[in-house]
Amino acid sequence: DGGITQSPKYLFRKEGQNVTLSCEQNLNHDAMYWYRQDPGQGLRLIYYSQIVNDFQKGDIAEGYSVSREKKESFPLTVTSAQKNPTAFYLCASSFRGGEKLFFGSGTQLSVL
Amino acid sequence: RKEVEQDPGPFNVPEGATVAFNCTYSNSASQSFFWYRQDCRKEPKLLMSVYSSGNEDGRFTAQLNRASQYISLLIRDSKLSDSATYLCVVNLYTGNQFYFGTGTSLTVIP
Repeated sequence: DGGITQSPKYLFRKEGQNVTLSCEQNLNHDAMYWYRQDPGQGLRLIYYSQIVNDFQKGDIAEGYSVSREKKESFPLTVTSAQKNPTAFYLCASSFRGGEKLFFGSGTQLSVL
Repeated sequence: RKEVEQDPGPFNVPEGATVAFNCTYSNSASQSFFWYRQDCRKEPKLLMSVYSSGNEDGRFTAQLNRASQYISLLIRDSKLSDSATYLCVVNLYTGNQFYFGTGTSLTVIP
């Protein structure tokens, strides 16, 4: 079945540690996105990519990094510079401009 | 000013009631519009795309008013299973960015 796979479902980060969230899609979508959701708040865009080897900062990119070496994959690294990383992280993809978004099941990141 | 604004609610309605949500957007160049449903700690799932002519899917009706820059979602004959947060989403083709409202919380009461 086609879809977006995020892993892990739960992740714990220690102080000063970088962690990487995985996002893989087999929908042949060009565009991929990372969003952060805090309790009671809307989704905020971290990074997005419209083609391989290109990505753009969203509204809250500080403390995060991404790569897009393959069309199917768009991993997100939460660096130690992100001082408040606890949140629900959602990866999404869309086929082309204006097409609806498909979401992965999310990763809950917490700080130990 | 936020790109997309929604009344956060909560809306608490009895089973069988009709409930309506509205959402306003600020950029007149917005091109496509959606309603998503999100259950607690789950991913958002597409409920409906919204077209200028309006569209209906069973108990759900969505409308778009470009002149006033708002979209609406009407739920008829509410079911317990409709309890969720409903997200309004707007897309600008330029940059292919999606803008989300903060969501409207609905609880359907037996």
